[in-house]
Amino acid sequence: QVQLQESGPGLVQPSETLSLTCTVSGGSITGYSWTWIRQSPGTGLEFIGCFPHSGSTYYSPSLRSRASISVDASTTQFSLRLTSLTPADTAVYYCARVNRQVIFSNYYYYMDVWGKGTTVTVSS
Amino acid sequence: DIQMTQSPSSLSASVGDRVSITCRAAQSIDNFLNWYQQKPGKAPQLLISAASNLESGVPSRFSGSGSGTDFTLTISSLHPEDFATYFCQQSYSLLSWTFGQGTKVE
Repeated sequence: QVQLQESGPGLVQPSETLSLTCTVSGGSITGYSWTWIRQSPGTGLEFIGCFPHSGSTYYSPSLRSRASISVDASTTQFSLRLTSLTPADTAVYYCARVNRQVIFSNYYYYMDVWGKGTTVTVSS
Repeated sequence: DIQMTQSPSSLSASVGDRVSITCRAAQSIDNFLNWYQQKPGKAPQLLISAASNLESGVPSRFSGSGSGTDFTLTISSLHPEDFATYFCQQSYSLLSWTFGQGTKVE
């Protein structure tokens, strides 16, 4: 059974860079896409970006200039880097696996395995 | 981004009630629509993909319908463990998925 676990700092200073890691256990990291989602009371659930199983990483237009996602298959980990933090980046950050199903030649994507989430507070 | 709007934002229901939650997309998304359940302090859990495909292990009292811009999540008979917040999410726009604001069932 695949499990995901986020790790990283709980408190970050404004203007600094956030680095989070998601460790994948119980399954393969290859052959799937991997994503980061965040949730705050003010903005709800927000897509940050996705590292696809093939092709280029893509990001939410609002975070594209500050976000970076990478995958290390050798350690079965994938990471999020978010620069120039402000208090508005305070949220619970989730990593998730993106699965897909093919129906009549259409690809349907969905997040079927999630980490428990890690709370990040941006404050001085 | 494709805006997703859920209604109602919250609803009160009792065990055994039939509950319906609506999700509306700002533009047609065919049936590229997923539903998630979230309980306090927990991560969202996938219930339904492709608007109507029940995820393995999800009770059959949950069902999804709709296509284009209007979608519905229905719980045929509410169980105590179903009190939670429900979110819809579009996967039509591959470069930027968006979620509804959530519907709290209490």
